[in-house]
Amino acid sequence: DQQVKQNSPSLSVQEGRISILNCDYTNSMFDYFLWYKKYPAEGPTFLISISSIKDKNEDGRFTVFLNKSAKHLSLHIVPSQPGDSAVYFCAARISSGANSKLTFGKGITLSVRP
Amino acid sequence: EAGVVQSPRYKIIEKKQPVAFWCNPISGHNTLYWYRQNLGQGPELLIRYENEEAVDDSQLPKDRFSAERLKGVDSTLKIQPAELGDSAVYLCASSFDNEQFFGPGTRLTVL
Repeated sequence: DQQVKQNSPSLSVQEGRISILNCDYTNSMFDYFLWYKKYPAEGPTFLISISSIKDKNEDGRFTVFLNKSAKHLSLHIVPSQPGDSAVYFCAARISSGANSKLTFGKGITLSVRP
Repeated sequence: EAGVVQSPRYKIIEKKQPVAFWCNPISGHNTLYWYRQNLGQGPELLIRYENEEAVDDSQLPKDRFSAERLKGVDSTLKIQPAELGDSAVYLCASSFDNEQFFGPGTRLTVL
């Protein structure tokens, strides 16, 4: 049972345009959400997060939106750059403690065309 | 600051052989995690340590997998005997507060 779903396996966008990566979750107990970026042969690196008390968090070119009623979040990258080409994982946790378990989606491969 | 260190980076073994992975977390990080990432999937937690105590090992297949973090610093994950289905990337991560920092992983291939 996949509690965090990234239904689109890949996305290709033109450099300079917006990339929108989507993520859905089923467990209503999740209250903290994260996006990780992964390059080949490297471990995932933290990108941005959002608490369930917010509906938007912005960090430079990256913005995460949370729609709790729809159990949906999305990562927007504007403008997209070729260096953004990577696999993006959505993750969620129940914040019973800061170090509690992360549940990951399968990932989306983003390709940004020059 | 050095990141999470894992070794080896790659390992190829035949089924039924034992294998061990080593992880050195970021200095000062009390929490250490081992994840398994199968091809085309996201990482899945195997075990989480708080210092030397395993506080969540519910997803660890205990018949063949074992882990230790004796002094609350570095950690070893062992598989004995390995099966074909164990082929995956094994990721180690550590954290002090909210953010988990991942190592590069060990890619295991079982033939």
